[in-house]
Amino acid sequence: GAVVSQHPSWVICKSGTSVKIECRSLDFQATTMFWYRQFPKQSLMLMATSNEGSKATYEQGVEKDKFLINHASLTLSTLTVTSAHPEDSSFYICSARNWNTDTQYFGPGTRLTVL
Amino acid sequence: SQQGEEDPQALSIQEGENATMNCSYKTSINNLQWYRQNSGRGLVHLILIRSNEREKHSGRLRVTLDTSKKSSSLLITASRAADTASYFCATSQAGTALIFGKGTTLSVSS
Repeated sequence: GAVVSQHPSWVICKSGTSVKIECRSLDFQATTMFWYRQFPKQSLMLMATSNEGSKATYEQGVEKDKFLINHASLTLSTLTVTSAHPEDSSFYICSARNWNTDTQYFGPGTRLTVL
Repeated sequence: SQQGEEDPQALSIQEGENATMNCSYKTSINNLQWYRQNSGRGLVHLILIRSNEREKHSGRLRVTLDTSKKSSSLLITASRAADTASYFCATSQAGTALIFGKGTTLSVSS
């Protein structure tokens, strides 16, 4: 199946700093990528839809100025958590859609811990 | 946003028993998918069932879909300790993001 990678797989940062997470589709072009957040013992919550070459669409309650999304190429989307706080500690998972098959492929996730 | 509910929220069984998890959703869908997630790990895709299908099998997995009731079930037969994980259903309409249910935590003891 298709491969989606995320980097880093885990990150620990100090409160107030910004953290960038990369999501790459390795063997297909993804005009659309999605970002999800998962708190411990909870389900995945859709944060935003990232479209190549245009602004991301954020779900209700997700602050676009705090979670900056850039989808500058057909294989890369980045999520930057700005001025991170401990409550932003979570598991962030991206997915990329292959338009040919209309299938979403998920990355392995990035665990963010904000001290 | 979340599409619906899974039940039960938690399920504990013995090895060899069957495990049944149910998923309900709220809106019309294009397809419904089931995923497994081991603690602290990424998602593993299990099976996809399209809105015009009623039942699908894959190995020890059996999925049913009832679009009139907006519900699906996942049956794992002859469960093993390695099946211990959280299971999520996820639905989508054509071209939209997958929306996940709340999940069922399955514990299989040997």
